[in-house]
Amino acid sequence: QLQLQESGPGLVKPSETLSLTCTVSGDSFSSNNYYWGWIRQPPGKGLEWIGSIYYSGSPYYNPSLKSRVTISVDTSKNQFSLKMMSVTAADTAVYYCGAGTTWGQGTLVIVSS
Amino acid sequence: AIQLTQSPSSLSASVGDRVTITCRASQDIGSALVWYQQKPGKGPKVLIYDVSSLESGVPSRFSGSGSGTDFTLTISSLQPEDFATYYCQQFNSYPITFGQGTRLEIK
Repeated sequence: QLQLQESGPGLVKPSETLSLTCTVSGDSFSSNNYYWGWIRQPPGKGLEWIGSIYYSGSPYYNPSLKSRVTISVDTSKNQFSLKMMSVTAADTAVYYCGAGTTWGQGTLVIVSS
Repeated sequence: AIQLTQSPSSLSASVGDRVTITCRASQDIGSALVWYQQKPGKGPKVLIYDVSSLESGVPSRFSGSGSGTDFTLTISSLQPEDFATYYCQQFNSYPITFGQGTRLEIK
């Protein structure tokens, strides 16, 4: 059974870079049956897709975030990552990593000085 | 971007009730629609994929239907554990988008 776990700092200062890692277990990370992705949920609000990447393909990003976001894969560690530059308070949210329609438990990231 | 509009935004119902939630897409998305359930403090859990396919382990009281632009999630007989927020998601084209959510509350 596929399992995903987000990790990274829970507090990021404004204008800095948010960096999160998703560790995948329970399935072959090199499987081409999944797209690996990130979504987020600001407190009390709905879900927003950030971006996705196929194991052997190019990433796709939400146009509203594309200029600040990078998603990459590290197959040697069974991990994929999210980097978001120049964060503001509006980026405060629970961030979830996922594969296909399976999502992790999420990690809260607060942007504050 | 394809917009998904869920209705209602919130709903009060009783245990045993039949409930229907609607998701309307701004353009044809074929069968590329997923329904999620989310409980407070938890990640979204898939219930239905490809419009009407029930995810393994999900009770059969959940069902999905529709095509093109209009889709529904039906819970045939509400159970106490079903009170949660429900989201639809389309993956027909990028950017992937979600509906705004339907909060299902106990009456």
